[in-house]
Amino acid sequence: EAQVTQNPRYLITVTGKKLTVTCSQNMNHEYMSWYRQDPGLGLRQIYYSMNVEVTDKGDVPEGYKVSRKEKRNFPLILESPSPNQTSLYFCASSSTGVGEQYFGPGTRLTVT
Amino acid sequence: SQKIEQNSEALNIQEGKTATLTCNYTNYSPAYLQWYRQDPGRGPVFLLLIRENEKEKRKERLKVTFDTTLKQSLFHITASQPADSATYLCALGTDSWGKLQFGAGTQVVVTP
Repeated sequence: EAQVTQNPRYLITVTGKKLTVTCSQNMNHEYMSWYRQDPGLGLRQIYYSMNVEVTDKGDVPEGYKVSRKEKRNFPLILESPSPNQTSLYFCASSSTGVGEQYFGPGTRLTVT
Repeated sequence: SQKIEQNSEALNIQEGKTATLTCNYTNYSPAYLQWYRQDPGRGPVFLLLIRENEKEKRKERLKVTFDTTLKQSLFHITASQPADSATYLCALGTDSWGKLQFGAGTQVVVTP
């Protein structure tokens, strides 16, 4: 089954404790993205990647890092999480830069 | 600054009627526009893509128009059904590298 998987689905952590949210897709897609979704603000793109080792900043990259060492994986790293990073995070992939995005199930992160 | 506006008020509509949603944008020159459906607690699901040189696209009961002069896209659900109840998001892309910006979405509630 074609899908985007994210882990963990739920995470509660404390300020400053480094964490990684994993994202993997099995569709051989070139493009992958990370978004955060907050009430009233909609989905905001954090980072996106056009291919292995090629990434670029979205609209809200501060406080986040990404890496794309393999085509199928695109982990999101929070080096020092803060409470304002409490949000619902989605990973997505697409076969082209303008094509439909396939979204993962989401990761709900709470930083206390 | 760039802005994407969708009606924040929920659209309540009777089964069988046509639901019409708007997506207005300012300070953008989008190359394409996409519409997604999102159910509570789940990732968005792609519905339609329309490019800047296209006026209208259809898919089953869905129709989207794109007016670059008015800086507006309209999304229509004809013969609406209770199963169409969800939040609908528009997203704009200005290049072919995967950078995408979303509106906050409009909730549609279809009552029998």
